[in-house]
Amino acid sequence: GAVVSQHPSRVICKSGTSVKIECRSLDFQATTMFWYRQFPKKSLMLMATSNEGSKATYEQGVEKDKFLINHASLTLSTLTVTSAHPEDSSFYICSARPAISYQETQYFGPGTRLLVL
Amino acid sequence: DAKTTQPPSMDCAEGRAANLPCNHSTISGNEYVYWYRQIHSQGPQYIIHGLKNNETNEMASLIITEDRKSSTLILPHATLRDTAVYYCIVRDHTGTASKLTFGTGTRLQVTL
Repeated sequence: GAVVSQHPSRVICKSGTSVKIECRSLDFQATTMFWYRQFPKKSLMLMATSNEGSKATYEQGVEKDKFLINHASLTLSTLTVTSAHPEDSSFYICSARPAISYQETQYFGPGTRLLVL
Repeated sequence: DAKTTQPPSMDCAEGRAANLPCNHSTISGNEYVYWYRQIHSQGPQYIIHGLKNNETNEMASLIITEDRKSSTLILPHATLRDTAVYYCIVRDHTGTASKLTFGTGTRLQVTL
């Protein structure tokens, strides 16, 4: 099956620093990747849609200057949380949609748990 | 604006079939029904999807009513490892958005 990895799996950082999270599709190419955030006991909330070679599309209320997304290749998208603060602590999950035109299913990574002190 | 309605929680005995219902009364003709599940502290896992015909794979079966206003995910022989939150999502395959909008899902607890 399609495998998506994320790195790191968990990170602890000091307030004010930036954190980069990588999302890779390991056995398929993905023209579109998605970034979600999940708070404890809550559902997943879509943050942005990332298309290879173009600017990401952010959901309403998500600050694009705070959550920088780069999708430089068909197998890698990165999310950088800039100047992180404790309220940014959350579970960040990416998903990838295969580039095959008829394949609409998204496959999710294992998530990255961010704790900002 | 929720497109699906699911019970917040369900219990199932190990070895028995788990039947998870989902109402999607406002589903449109080109929207598919997707099911994902999320085991604690992991990313969601794709289970199955369908348009109007019943579907079956190695994980589960999906039964969609004739009017497509509701569906049921069936795990034929639930195990403790099936304990998770199950999300029913309706999604259009046309257009470029291809977004998945997660609701609150059903928390399935499989017990001995």
